[in-house]
Amino acid sequence: NAGVTQTPKFQVLKTGQSMTLQCAQDMNHNSMYWYRQDPGMGLRLIYYSASEGTTDKGEVPNGYNVSRLNKREFSLRLESAAPSQTSVYFCASSAGYIGGYGYTFGSGTRLTVV
Amino acid sequence: DQQVKQNSPSLSVQEGRISILNCDYTNSMFDYFLWYKKYPAEGPTFLISISSIKDKNEDGRFTVFLNKSAKHLSLHIVPSQPGDSAVYFCAASAQTGANSKLTFGKGITLSVRP
Repeated sequence: NAGVTQTPKFQVLKTGQSMTLQCAQDMNHNSMYWYRQDPGMGLRLIYYSASEGTTDKGEVPNGYNVSRLNKREFSLRLESAAPSQTSVYFCASSAGYIGGYGYTFGSGTRLTVV
Repeated sequence: DQQVKQNSPSLSVQEGRISILNCDYTNSMFDYFLWYKKYPAEGPTFLISISSIKDKNEDGRFTVFLNKSAKHLSLHIVPSQPGDSAVYFCAASAQTGANSKLTFGKGITLSVRP
């Protein structure tokens, strides 16, 4: 049971380059989320998808776009990377209602923009 | 406007002693609370939760207490073990229905000294 799988695990980009972070879950969850974690800032929500076919902005959406490709997959795209986007990115999924254990997180993508 | 606050960034305790991690919230609509544990290079994992209809929930060495009037919850770890050294995130949800989202605190780094 893989849970939430993120690829890649590490990435170094040059300023201005673009890339897509991939996320897939195998738990038949309705909702998926993208967070970034920065020192002293905790987990901040970038975008989320409450259900297949819908996406909404979170707390820090600027500079990012998302695609809910199907129920399993939710990708995060950086169109023109900036050093301020150096961070650890986590994808998460949930059944869509809060109870039990809440979210299941992936192991993260460590992104460095130089 | 930080709705979930973990004001102490770090805590150091001796092995075998009690660890008390605190969390405050401002949104009176929050009705479900969770603690997540995060090791370096891994995603956060669910630890324990509590509903607003309870004031205590226990799971082995971990107990969460909720004081609704004070908008305060705490995580007690007894006895603390070196393997408990990690970052602990407090999270809260304002909805019990569909499409609920979690709001996270900034995290507390717990160090348990052998």
